[in-house]
Amino acid sequence: GAVVSQHPSRVICKSGTSVKIECRSLDFQATTMFWYRQFPKQSLMLMATSNEGSKATYEQGVEKDKFLINHASLTLSTLTVTSAHPEDSSFYICSSPGGEMNTEAFFGQGTRLTVV
Amino acid sequence: GNSVTQMEGPVTLSEEAFLTINCTYTATGYPSLFWYVQYPGEGLQLLLKATKADDKGSNKGFEATYRKETTSFHLEKGSVQVSDSAVYFCARRNSGNTPLVFGKGTRLSVIA
Repeated sequence: GAVVSQHPSRVICKSGTSVKIECRSLDFQATTMFWYRQFPKQSLMLMATSNEGSKATYEQGVEKDKFLINHASLTLSTLTVTSAHPEDSSFYICSSPGGEMNTEAFFGQGTRLTVV
Repeated sequence: GNSVTQMEGPVTLSEEAFLTINCTYTATGYPSLFWYVQYPGEGLQLLLKATKADDKGSNKGFEATYRKETTSFHLEKGSVQVSDSAVYFCARRNSGNTPLVFGKGTRLSVIA
C-alpha cells in the first residue's frame, strides 16, 4: 500500500524554538495532506489541511501563525511549530487521503513533540 | 455534522475473552467506516474498513459490520490476546479527499 514517511519520530526542544516536521509520500503523489494533533489519552483532532501549491486551511481554534504548513511539492508537506511552548507538547500525525478512488487514508508514523 | 461516538474505556479483559467495542456514527451522507489501532508509542494502523451498508470488514480475527439501520460499526473479536492491547479508534470518512473523523478511542488492556 501507499506509504507516508514522517520525520522526526521524536523531538525535544526548548521553549521559544521552532520545530519542523516533514511528511513525504513515498510511492504516490499527495495533493492533499491532513495534519492531526493528539493529546495524551485523547483522540486525533484535525488541525489543518494542506494542498499542494495553495494555502493551507486551518480548523477553528488553530493558530495559523504558530503552526506553519507548507506543501510545496506533490511528495512533501511540512508542519513547523513556531515559538514552541510546553502546551504544544503533543503527538502530531499527518495523513494523506490517497486519492478519490481510495477509501483508506494513509498515515505517517507520527511525531512526539516535547517542549521543555 | 459528522461525528463518531465510541464506548469509553479503558477496557480490561482476560486473555481469550470476547471483545466488543461499540461505535456509532451520525447518519449524514454515505460514509466509509474504519477501525484504526494504535499500539503503545506508535502511529495509527488501519485494522479494517467497510465502505457500504452490510459490508463486513475483518482482519486479524477482528470484525465489524456496517449497520445502516442502527448507524453502528461495532468492533468484535472472539478471543483476545495480550498482543491486542492497544487503543482502538473508530472513524468515518465521507468521500475520497475529506479527512477522517475519529471517535475518542478506547484503550484495551488484555491480561494473561
